[in-house]
Amino acid sequence: GAGVSQSPRYKVAKRGQDVALRCDPISGHVSLFWYQQALGQGPEFLTYFQNEAQLDKSGLPSDRFFAERPEGSVSTLKIQRTQQEDSAVYLCASSLTSGGTYEQYFGPGTRLTVT
Amino acid sequence: ELKVEQNPLFLSMQEGKNYTIYCNYSTTSDRLYWYRQDPGKSLESLFVLLSNGAVKQEGRLMASLDTKARLSTLHITAAVHDLSATYFCAYRSSSARQLTFGSGTQLTVLP
Repeated sequence: GAGVSQSPRYKVAKRGQDVALRCDPISGHVSLFWYQQALGQGPEFLTYFQNEAQLDKSGLPSDRFFAERPEGSVSTLKIQRTQQEDSAVYLCASSLTSGGTYEQYFGPGTRLTVT
Repeated sequence: ELKVEQNPLFLSMQEGKNYTIYCNYSTTSDRLYWYRQDPGKSLESLFVLLSNGAVKQEGRLMASLDTKARLSTLHITAAVHDLSATYFCAYRSSSARQLTFGSGTQLTVLP
């Protein structure tokens, strides 16, 4: 079956540009997460949605980062005025909300390079 | 602060040998996860451990959980080259939905 998909897979932006990263979760998954993974590190939490509601955005590093999920399915992570320190892989994950393992299924990621 | 410490961070081992990766976490957890990541790829779920004393095995990998010690282990038996990858543990605290990851253990299995 279809897994989590992300686009673009690679993005090169000049410092100061705005970027938008897209995530298509597994159909029927209520929960959606964004993580940032720096080179050689584990993923770090950015933000969490349950359906269209953004319930936790405590991991967003600055107000240049903005995420939305207006219809409770596809999500977009937007970074305004990109900086070099934003270079990382951005991972999206989705999961079922209730019961069971709460296992998160990850997409392939978007590798963002800010030059 | 929620923390996860993995060790070792780097591990080179010969084919056929056994080894254990350790994962210590800092607070009460109701779920502990192990993921595998190949270079340039995303995270592949290996195990989900739900309760104290839980043990799961898949092929040459076995994971266990001791919630009292806040410790999970990933044991590798008779390693083969195909196991070369980075392994992450992560936990989900009782009060949050997101996962907190360790720094990963980069495993290289040498012929």
